[in-house]
Formats: sequence, C-alpha cells, structure tokens
Amino acid sequence: QQQVKQSPQSLIVQKGGISIINCAYENTAFDYFPWYQQFPGKGPALLIAIRPDVSEKKEGRFTISFNKSAKQFSLHIMDSQPGDSATYFCAASLTGGGNKLTFGTGTQLKVEL
Amino acid sequence: GAVVSQHPSRVICKSGTSVKIECRSLDFQATTMFWYRQFPKQSLMLMATSNEGSKATYEQGVEKDKFLINHASLTLSTLTVTSAHPEDSSFYICSASPGAGEQYFGPGTRLTVT
Repeated sequence: QQQVKQSPQSLIVQKGGISIINCAYENTAFDYFPWYQQFPGKGPALLIAIRPDVSEKKEGRFTISFNKSAKQFSLHIMDSQPGDSATYFCAASLTGGGNKLTFGTGTQLKVEL
Repeated sequence: GAVVSQHPSRVICKSGTSVKIECRSLDFQATTMFWYRQFPKQSLMLMATSNEGSKATYEQGVEKDKFLINHASLTLSTLTVTSAHPEDSSFYICSASPGAGEQYFGPGTRLTVT
C-alpha cells in the first residue's frame, strides 16, 4: 500500500515538445506529492509539489496534474529543453507520518535537439 | 532558500576504516533529517530517519551498528559508516525537512571503499 508506480522508465522528447511523466499511488492517506529532478552525480532537487486540495499546479514550464479519484498525478514539462535532460522522481508522503517520502522508480528524460 | 550541504562530496577510504559524512541545513531548522543510499540508475533507498536529540529510526535491513547516525542539532546530522567494506561503496544522500512533508536534499557523497 506504500508503493508509488512511475512511468515511463525512459523518455525521449524533441526540443520544444511536451514531456509527460505519470505516477500512481495506492495509499489514499498520502497528502503531499513532490517531483524531484536529479542530474548525474547530484542530489535530487525539489521541482514542484502539490497537495490533494488542488487538481493542478503550475510553476513556469512545469505543471503537476493531480487526479485524486484515480490516485494519479503527472508532471508536464512544456517547451522541453536539452537542459531538462535528467532523471525525474515522483514521490508521496503522509505529513503526519514522519514526513517519509515514498519514491517512484524514476524516469530518465532526454531532450534532443 | 532551503539549502542543504553535505561534506565531503567524495571520499575514498580503505576497507576496515570508518568514514563520517556531515549533512547541514544552511538556512532553515530541520525537525527531521533523512539518510538515503542510491545505486546507479536506481531510485533512492531510505536508510534511516533522525530527529534532533533522539535515536535514529532505521529501515528494515539497515544495520544500525554499521551506519551510525547522530543528529546533534536542528541543522546538523552525521552518518558514520563503520568498518567500511567495498560493498558499502555507494552514493549517500541526506535530506532535511522543515516540516509539512517537505524534504530538501543535499548534493550527495560518493563513497568508494578500496
């Protein structure tokens, strides 16, 4: 019940295109859903996060769409750039549960020119 | 804001020696700090959770006597890998939480045991 399933495992997008990464969770008690971006040899950086009281959150080129009834959330990267090439992790946590994050398995994104 | 530092960034040690890794939250107080291990092309594996002034909580399968965690203050946690062996070689990453579920990660420490 603690799993977060992430897809696809890898993704190739042309420059200027839209990158879409999907995650599904099982624990309906989760109340915090962040996305992290990780470059090789670096720690993950918090990209954007959403709580279940809203269905969408946008920050610049990055948008989270959240579907509470389907227990799914996704990351959309608009106008994808080569600098966006990285590994993206979705995660979920229960705020009152010690703030432990349950991570997805990661998506390796490559944006080609 | 929300900057977490880790030191050292890379360390090479000989088998049987101990290595200490420091994690600091630079611009906020962390009620909780976490230590992760990451293998190449894999997700992050939580090793332990620590709260300031109390004993760390280790995940199943993580040897608490091998991976010693100290959370001395609201801005500093340390991980000591004792009697390191080559199989302990990995990328160790800490994170710090100011609360409300948020976690901010350090840049990671690459440990190589020869």
